[in-house]
Amino acid sequence: QVQLQESGPGLVKPSETLSLTCTVSGGSISGYYWSWIRQPPGKGLEWIGYIYKSGTTNYNPSLESRVTISQDTSKRQFSLRLSSVTAADTAVYFCARGEWSFWFNPWGQGTLVTVSS
Amino acid sequence: QSVLTQPPSVSAAPGQKVTISCSGSSSNIGNSYVSWYRHLPGTGPQLLIFDNNKRPSGIPDRFSGSKSGTSATLGITGLQTGDEADYYCGAWDSSLSAGVFGGGTKLTVL
Repeated sequence: QVQLQESGPGLVKPSETLSLTCTVSGGSISGYYWSWIRQPPGKGLEWIGYIYKSGTTNYNPSLESRVTISQDTSKRQFSLRLSSVTAADTAVYFCARGEWSFWFNPWGQGTLVTVSS
Repeated sequence: QSVLTQPPSVSAAPGQKVTISCSGSSSNIGNSYVSWYRHLPGTGPQLLIFDNNKRPSGIPDRFSGSKSGTSATLGITGLQTGDEADYYCGAWDSSLSAGVFGGGTKLTVL
């Protein structure tokens, strides 16, 4: 079955760029809405955005100016870049496989990213 | 403040039934499909219900979903201690042009 695994630095300095990669195993990366979702400590889930088809992206307007999602189909990976981070971007970041009607299955286990100097 | 509103917590005894509500508006639940997830700390959320009331393969029929107007409900019957977790609803919001989730509901099985 399809499995997703997030990877990347667990600590990022304020004003720098957060970079995470999600590796997909057990299935093709073609099709679907490959997504990033985050959960700040003690808070609920926040949708960040997705990439689908030939690279078309859609981002949460609240983050759009700072977010880039890209994919490398040959490596079965997709990535998140979030620029100019602040402490408010500290969160567990999840990658997930999404469908057009906005549901996600499966999810990665998540990775905690802390923004601190 | 989440766009979709869920009760912070619910509780019930083992073997009993519980419902978790998710309230939204005409721009999200009222005009979109709803999904539900179970989340245990340290793991990724697990899909329980998609497209309002469909269960993915492997999810028992103890879990059910329904939608009416701008609200949705997750039902869990035959509660087990293993059902203790945080539960989230999600939907697309056409006004925000963004996906939105509820704030989460902590289920305690007494």
